[in-house]
Amino acid sequence: DGGITQSPKYLFRKEGQNVTLSCEQNLNHDAMYWYRQDPGQGLRLIYYSQIVNDFQKGDIAEGYSVSREKKESFPLTVTSAQKNPTAFYLCASSIKGRTSGFWNTGELFFGEGSRLTVL
Amino acid sequence: DAKTTQPPSMDCAEGRAANLPCNHSTISGNEYVYWYRQIHSQGPQYIIHGLKNNETNEMASLIITEDRKSSTLILPHATLRDTAVYYCIVSGWSGAGSYQLTFGKGTKLSVIP
Repeated sequence: DGGITQSPKYLFRKEGQNVTLSCEQNLNHDAMYWYRQDPGQGLRLIYYSQIVNDFQKGDIAEGYSVSREKKESFPLTVTSAQKNPTAFYLCASSIKGRTSGFWNTGELFFGEGSRLTVL
Repeated sequence: DAKTTQPPSMDCAEGRAANLPCNHSTISGNEYVYWYRQIHSQGPQYIIHGLKNNETNEMASLIITEDRKSSTLILPHATLRDTAVYYCIVSGWSGAGSYQLTFGKGTKLSVIP
């Protein structure tokens, strides 16, 4: 079945360590996104990519890095520079397209999330 | 993208229609209204979206006012599994090459047995 797979589901990290969260999609979507969610809050955009080998910073990119070497994959690295990394991380993808003369983000498909805890 | 305003929480009796309001008074002509929901500790799920006309699918109906400044998501027969946080999002071409959907705090819908 087509979908988005995030791994690991749960991750524990010691302070000062970098960790990489995996996100893979087999939906043939052009655009991929990383969001962060803190308890009781909405989602905040970290990075997004509309095409292979290109990505853009979102609202809270500091302390994070990404790569987009393949259309199917958009890994997120949480670096030691991220001061408060404990959070729920969500990856999403969408078709990039133009509908009826207007740009339309299309439907976002989300993975099940990765919960990162810093010990 | 235009900002949205939603009530923080709502209750609905099981089997009744749930009507979730959203204000988006600064919406521009090329911006769509999207609705998503998030069941606890899961990724958000797309429900429906629309531009001007009312929309209906197997999950819900979306009613957009004629001036497009507000909308209502209708779950016709709410079940306990519809208990979730519902996000109303307005998004369109930003001109800067972005396709960002901004998820606020949403409305926490509790379906009561």
